[in-house]
Amino acid sequence: DAKTTQPNSMESNEEEPVHLPCNHSTISGTDYIHWYRQLPSQGPEYVIHGLTSNVNNRMASLAIAEDRKSSTLILHRATLRDAAVYYCILSYNNNDMRFGAGTRLTVKP
Amino acid sequence: EADIYQTPRYLVIGTGKKITLECSQTMGHDKMYWYQQDPGMELHLIHYSYGVNSTEKGDLSSESTVSRIRTEHFPLTLESARPSHTSQYLCASSESPGQGGFYYEQYFGPGTRLTVT
Repeated sequence: DAKTTQPNSMESNEEEPVHLPCNHSTISGTDYIHWYRQLPSQGPEYVIHGLTSNVNNRMASLAIAEDRKSSTLILHRATLRDAAVYYCILSYNNNDMRFGAGTRLTVKP
Repeated sequence: EADIYQTPRYLVIGTGKKITLECSQTMGHDKMYWYQQDPGMELHLIHYSYGVNSTEKGDLSSESTVSRIRTEHFPLTLESARPSHTSQYLCASSESPGQGGFYYEQYFGPGTRLTVT
C-alpha cells in the first residue's frame, strides 16, 4: 500500500499562510490525494482532494508536485480554529482511507 | 452540513456487558464506515458497508460486529465489553459512484467515547 509521510507537528502564527507537506513517493497512478483534518474532540472533516492538478476550494489549496510524489496543503490565512491534526491520505476509492498519524498544527495568536 | 449522528456520545460500562453503538445518517449515502481511535493515535478502519445487507471487515481486527438492515442505520455491537475495548468509535458515510454528487468525501459523526471498567 502506498504510504504518506508527514511531519508530526507544525506551528504557525495567526493570519499567516501555512504549508503542510506530505511525501508519497510510492503513489500509484490511480491514487487520489486526500486531506482531512480533525479538530479537538471531533470526527475528521474533509478538506480537499486532487489527482494531478492543483486544486482550490473555500478551505484550502492543494499543490501537487509534477511527479506526484509529494503534495502541500496550503491554508492561506491560518486562524485559531484551524488548529487540528491534518491527515494526508492516498486512496483510489474511499473504502480504503488509511489515516496515519497526521500533522498536529498549532496556531499561535 | 453533514447529517450523521452517533449515540451515545459517552458511555461508561462494566466488563461483560453487551453494548450497541448507534450511527445514523440522513443523506441517503450507500457507504458507511466504523473507525476506532485511541486518544492521540491514528484512526483505524474496523468495518464498512457498501449498502443494505453488505458488511466488510476493515484493516484492524475487531471483536465488534455490525449490521446494515436499513440504508440510514449502521449500528456496531460488542457482545461482551472488555477494558481493551476502551476507545473512541467514529462512524462515517459517503456517496457511491453513480449516486452523483461528491464521491470522495467521507462525512464523520462526532464519535462515541467508550470506557469499559
